[in-house]
Amino acid sequence: RKEVEQDPGPFNVPEGATVAFNCTYSNSASQSFFWYRQDCRKEPKLLMSVYSSGNEDGRFTAQLNRASQYISLLIRDSKLSDSATYLCVVIPGAYNQGGKLIFGQGTELSVKP
Amino acid sequence: DVKVTQSSRYLVKRTGEKVFLECVQDMDHENMFWYRQDPGLGLRLIYFSYDVKMKEKGDIPEGYSVSREKKERFSLILESASTNQTSMYLCASSFRADRDPKDFGPGTRLTVT
Repeated sequence: RKEVEQDPGPFNVPEGATVAFNCTYSNSASQSFFWYRQDCRKEPKLLMSVYSSGNEDGRFTAQLNRASQYISLLIRDSKLSDSATYLCVVIPGAYNQGGKLIFGQGTELSVKP
Repeated sequence: DVKVTQSSRYLVKRTGEKVFLECVQDMDHENMFWYRQDPGLGLRLIYFSYDVKMKEKGDIPEGYSVSREKKERFSLILESASTNQTSMYLCASSFRADRDPKDFGPGTRLTVT
């Protein structure tokens, strides 16, 4: 089983749609969770951190479910500029693991006019 | 904003050549990382460093070495480049390895022929 798994998509949605991505992780001791966005041929950029209480940033909402070991990202009112690959990222949390980011494969989103 | 820069955006080398990829960050971060990204495999950690002259192997260190002589600079070395090292190489840095998300450089797309 992969440490972090995502549905690779692609998700093709019309402008204005609401779209949700899920991601599961295998290490129950994982402490830190993030969503990154990566545009074609560019580096990943932090979109938002994911907190246990859930957090919202404009049209984006991130949730963490520790019991089921998954995190989610909800995008409301999709824009053309939201088209990108969304990477689910987990830090296992043990310092001797180097704080390395464990990446999911990424979910491709394409927002159409 | 953290600025992470990489010496080249595109690089073409021949099999057997020694290749140096340079990464520099300007925010006094202790931690620096080298990843490679390949289609279908996502981002994988090659090496990381918590401090000057300190290095730790990541998940795929074979065929690579690193050097960190100064805090701001982390070099990835391909001792004898091979075609299976054709990839996108991404450098990242962070202040605290176990919590802070990483800031990435723009990437170096290396082709080994």
